[in-house]
Amino acid sequence: DGGITQSPKYLFRKEGQNVTLSCEQNLNHDAMYWYRQDPGQGLRLIYYSQIVNDFQKGDIAEGYSVSREKKESFPLTVTSAQKNPTAFYLCASSMGVTLYGYTFGSGTRLTVV
Amino acid sequence: RKEVEQDPGPFNVPEGATVAFNCTYSNSASQSFFWYRQDCRKEPKLLMSVYSSGNEDGRFTAQLNRASQYISLLIRDSKLSDSATYLCVVNGYGNKLVFGAGTILRVKS
Repeated sequence: DGGITQSPKYLFRKEGQNVTLSCEQNLNHDAMYWYRQDPGQGLRLIYYSQIVNDFQKGDIAEGYSVSREKKESFPLTVTSAQKNPTAFYLCASSMGVTLYGYTFGSGTRLTVV
Repeated sequence: RKEVEQDPGPFNVPEGATVAFNCTYSNSASQSFFWYRQDCRKEPKLLMSVYSSGNEDGRFTAQLNRASQYISLLIRDSKLSDSATYLCVVNGYGNKLVFGAGTILRVKS
């Protein structure tokens, strides 16, 4: 079955550490997105990529980095520069947002300890 | 002003009730509109797209008013399983979506 897989489901980060969240899709979608969700708030866009080897900053890119070396993969690194990283991170992909919207992965819950 | 605004609720309704949510958006150039459902600690899932002429999917009806820039979702004959957060979603500038903060629905027996 086609889908989008995020791992790990839960992640604990120590202060000053970089961590990488995985996002893989086998839907053959060109576009991929990373969002962050905090309690009581809407999803906020971190980074997005419309095509391999190209990506753009979203509204809250500071303290994050991404790569898009393969169509199927769009990993997100949360760096030590991100001061408040505890949140629910959602990866999405789309074959065309105008008609189809997004398909989401099941998310990664990151906690700073 | 937020790009997409929703009443956060919660809306507490008995089983079998009809409930409606509204959402307003600020980008008059938006062309695509969706309602997503999000269960607690889960990812959002597409509930339905919203078309200019309005559309219905079983107990769910979505309407779009471009002149006033608002979208509505009507749920008839509410079930316990409808309890969730409903996200209003609009396409923003570029090939990406903008999400409202969501409206919480609690259906009680």
